[in-house]
Amino acid sequence: EIVLTQSPVTLSSSPGERATLSCRSNQSLLSTYLAWYQQKPGQAPRLLIYGTSNRATGIPDRFSGSGSGTDFTLTISRLEPGDFAVYYCQQYGSSVYTFGPGTKLEI
Amino acid sequence: EVQLVQSGAEVKKAGESLRISCRVSGSNVTSYWINWVRQLPGKGLEWMARIDPSDSYTNYRPSFKGHVTISADKSIDTAYLQWSSLEASDSGIYYCARRYMGGANGLDFWGQGTLVTVSS
Repeated sequence: EIVLTQSPVTLSSSPGERATLSCRSNQSLLSTYLAWYQQKPGQAPRLLIYGTSNRATGIPDRFSGSGSGTDFTLTISRLEPGDFAVYYCQQYGSSVYTFGPGTKLEI
Repeated sequence: EVQLVQSGAEVKKAGESLRISCRVSGSNVTSYWINWVRQLPGKGLEWMARIDPSDSYTNYRPSFKGHVTISADKSIDTAYLQWSSLEASDSGIYYCARRYMGGANGLDFWGQGTLVTVSS
């Protein structure tokens, strides 16, 4: 099973700042099949990025993804109050998908 | 408008059976994998399994195989997640989500979640 780890566990930032979240895999991934999700309390997750760097429909360009192999990054430039949430990476390139444990982005 | 509408919250006792549902509207269900994702209280997301509604082909995460069963009825655009014998540790929120089979999109539409509470 592909295992994803995310760092940091918690990231404290302020509105207007830039946030960089990391996702690392225990084996090399096809970049095509790496996604990022945002989840706010009491809500279902929302797809932000798919295929490592493609923004999902309606996602502002403040969100960007990059990476390859075993190391992937979600960058949020100019944080807004609504961005404070938990972020999960996910690989879906194998027949068994996996999520990372999440990074909580807090004020 | 694409919607995945899940069945309502359930309260059960350990050992009981349960089936929850996910109805897809606004898209051709047979073009998408339907995935099930668990979230235990205060914890992260766990991918459980997926099904191709066109032929009911399935994949399970090994830790869930044998404990849950997923199925689909393409005639009514609905997928199911079922347990034959619930355990208290099954308490949590269960989400369904779709993924397009023809491309590299992630899980782009999610249901609202079904809260399952199992008492011992």
